Amino acid sequence: DTAVSQTPKYLVTQMGNDKSIKCEQNLGHDTMYWYKQDSKKFLKIMFSYNNKELIINETVPNRFSPKSPDKAHLNLHINSLELGDSAVYFCASSQVAGAYGYTFGSGTRLTVV
Amino acid sequence: AQRVTQPEKLLSVFKGAPVELKCNYSYSGSPELFWYVQYSRQRLQLLLRHISRESIKGFTADLNKGETSFHLKKPFAQEEDSAMYYCALRINMFSGGYNKLIFGAGTRLAVHP
Repeated sequence: DTAVSQTPKYLVTQMGNDKSIKCEQNLGHDTMYWYKQDSKKFLKIMFSYNNKELIINETVPNRFSPKSPDKAHLNLHINSLELGDSAVYFCASSQVAGAYGYTFGSGTRLTVV
Repeated sequence: AQRVTQPEKLLSVFKGAPVELKCNYSYSGSPELFWYVQYSRQRLQLLLRHISRESIKGFTADLNKGETSFHLKKPFAQEEDSAMYYCALRINMFSGGYNKLIFGAGTRLAVHP
């Protein structure tokens, strides 16, 4: 009964390809996020959506395009993948205020070769 | 500037020893702080919120506004505590309750038998 689920868990692809990562939450939360964890384990927010509306875009390259078909889903599409995109991508969700913290998915390990 | 600093990349202790993982923050608003734990290759899990003043798995953390700190402590470390620990600060973006969590760089706790 996973609260925040991401697919796929692992993704290995070549430079220049386009790929998508899917995220779904069944917690009834209003807000969803994408975080990137780099090779040094540093976590940085990329995007935030509230009820399908983009709230935060942290100067992420245009090659990254989030899409939220409904408030339970937030997908991440990446065009023209580069070596530097290799990282673990975490989806998270919270109530709008986030006072109880965020619930994270298990991550998608993206390797670009 | 809004910032979370975890000065130690690695903290190595023996089982039964006390543990203190340091976290300092910089934020002009009213701070709300969290500790997250990430066991090997797993999702981030919420460990503590400063608002709730609870103790989880023997860990406690007190917000010290004078020293702008939120150090995580445990009197007797266990081997199963070995993990990556992240301190996080909730930043209010603008009206409407929208917010984001910014993370410190993380501290790896290694508890040896």
